[in-house]
Amino acid sequence: DIQMTQSPSSLSASVGDRVTITCRASQSIDSYLGWFQQKPGKAPKLLIYAASSLQSGVPSRFSGSGSGPLYTLTIDSLQPEDFATYYCQQSYSFPLTFGGGTTVGIK
Amino acid sequence: EEQVVESGGGLVHPGGSLRLSCGASGFTFNDHYIDWVRQAPGKGLEWVGRSRNKLNSYTTEYAASVKGRFTLSRDDSENSLYLQMNSLQTEDTAVYYCARALRWYRSDYWYFDLWGRGTLVTVSS
Repeated sequence: DIQMTQSPSSLSASVGDRVTITCRASQSIDSYLGWFQQKPGKAPKLLIYAASSLQSGVPSRFSGSGSGPLYTLTIDSLQPEDFATYYCQQSYSFPLTFGGGTTVGIK
Repeated sequence: EEQVVESGGGLVHPGGSLRLSCGASGFTFNDHYIDWVRQAPGKGLEWVGRSRNKLNSYTTEYAASVKGRFTLSRDDSENSLYLQMNSLQTEDTAVYYCARALRWYRSDYWYFDLWGRGTLVTVSS
């Protein structure tokens, strides 16, 4: 199974900050990676697919990059509605696996 | 509006069974792969299984933790996917989400673009 390791597990930031979350796979996953945002009591929401493609309707302050086993999600100019938990997920091979999540809290 | 809606959750005793449903509307259900993902209380996301479309012979994939106990089936005429869960254990307690998987161009990469709100399954004596 491919293990997905996210870091940090949590962070505190202020509105307007730039935030970067890292996801490392236990092997290369050829950009078969998505990023999701989840707020308490809500379903996950797709932000980024194929490592760097922005899902329709998602603000452009969200961006993804990376290759091989290492990927990042960046939020430029954090907004109040961005305080949430973020997950990466690989679709390179079964079983599909998620990172453990990164909770972005208010500083 | 495209949407998927889960139903069928509830309280069940250990060793019991439950069938979840995922109903789709606003898109051509039978063209798509549909997956289940679950989330235990206060925990992260865990993939459960995939149902492929008729073009791919309705084949399925399962997580090791549910293989042999959970079974996926679908009724394209009803735009519905079902998750039959048998021999339920306390560790199966979770919110169960269904999610549509879309293919990226002609690659082998499928990503979850549409999620339901989930249905809660509680396994407890």
